[in-house]
Amino acid sequence: DADVTQTPRNRITKTGKRIMLECSQTKGHDRMYWYRQDPGLGLRLIYYSFDVKDINKGEISDGYSVSRQAQAKFSLSLESAIPNQTALYFCATGQELTDTQYFGPGTRLTVL
Amino acid sequence: GESVGLHLPTLSVQEGDNSIINCAYSNSASDYFIWYKQESGKGPQFIIDIRSNMDKRQGQRVTVLLNKTVKHLSLQIAATQPGDSAVYICAENRRGNFNTFYFGSGTKLNVKP
Repeated sequence: DADVTQTPRNRITKTGKRIMLECSQTKGHDRMYWYRQDPGLGLRLIYYSFDVKDINKGEISDGYSVSRQAQAKFSLSLESAIPNQTALYFCATGQELTDTQYFGPGTRLTVL
Repeated sequence: GESVGLHLPTLSVQEGDNSIINCAYSNSASDYFIWYKQESGKGPQFIIDIRSNMDKRQGQRVTVLLNKTVKHLSLQIAATQPGDSAVYICAENRRGNFNTFYFGSGTKLNVKP
């Protein structure tokens, strides 16, 4: 969905490096989410934010941090990447009234 | 149906046939459900949703059925086309600790020409 963009789309890094994944949206939604997807598993929530001053941990927040720089921008950081953080990462946006979430194209992260 | 694990369940259908993809959800308190389509290399795309006060909802070529008694959700695709080949994921809003969605691992739909 072109309304939700993620950069980079692919990244290969080494253990111990700091990585930032960025998400931008033009949908005007207040809510933003970060998920990871592993082969054969459902999307799992890392962090979410309901507005610029609101940050909440999801079910698998350990090893990650986020920053909500503006309504349209929500970044995910891996302070010290480890191999089991190799996964597909998706950003999503949503609005309260409909609950529906809209996903970005994903970032494929490989940690060696 | 959907399951957690390394291998996704796969449904193979002939082009033109109808497809039925099933999903079992776990929380009777869930009140909103979404079906997503995820094509290779892309993020999940919204297909259709349903709230718990309904048992059926129709879209263009797709129908979602909700059976709250047995906590079961299904997605029916009419006249399946090759472009429907993808992984289909159901999501439930459990209204729990995170006030967001829990996603199944998905079912892979393979449409044979």
